[in-house]
Amino acid sequence: DTGVSQDPRHKITKRGQNVTFRCDPISEHNRLYWYRQTLGQGPEFLTYFQNEAQLEKSRLLSDRFSAERPKGSFSTLEIQRTEQGDSAMYLCASSLASSYGYTFGSGTRLTVV
Amino acid sequence: QKEVEQNSGPLSVPEGAIASLNCTYSDRGSQSFFWYRQYSGKSPELIMFIYSNGDKEDGRFTAQLNKASQYVSLLIRDSQPSDSATYLCGMGETSGSRLTFGEGTQLTVNP
Repeated sequence: DTGVSQDPRHKITKRGQNVTFRCDPISEHNRLYWYRQTLGQGPEFLTYFQNEAQLEKSRLLSDRFSAERPKGSFSTLEIQRTEQGDSAMYLCASSLASSYGYTFGSGTRLTVV
Repeated sequence: QKEVEQNSGPLSVPEGAIASLNCTYSDRGSQSFFWYRQYSGKSPELIMFIYSNGDKEDGRFTAQLNKASQYVSLLIRDSQPSDSATYLCGMGETSGSRLTFGEGTQLTVNP
């Protein structure tokens, strides 16, 4: 069990570019969550999956954001046409559906310049 | 009104004291409550969860839940400088459901 892995750790991109982040959950975990966190704020829910099914998506998530978990294992989060307001830490977490609380990955810090 | 509100910080306590962190929530459908600790520049790590009214103790940490008052707290006894971090209160509807977090309370334990 190597924990939740996220790649890359840091990403600097120019406004208008597309970016994609990857998350590898703990292997036996069937639920995978994406959160975004800005400085001084708590994590904000974006979306979550059970196996390959996307069960819920935040209404705050614009259509520039899309997430997939094609085989129920790793997940990707893509942001199209990035804006400066997208600069944040993007956190992935995983859990079993039956368990309480999740394990977060180290996060991907996105800076849009 | 925010769904989860935490007591405003930063909170500063001397080493060895009891640190008290508080959280209120608005959604009566919430069933499970979590405390995460987040060191600066790191990701949150789960300290405790509670879903029944009353107290739950784990070492130096005690979580308290009062669903009637929509209030959850975390007490840290014998605070240590290594406890200095931001503490996040989160709530969920069921096991495995998404969590809604508060803004966090920054705790500093002074040697």
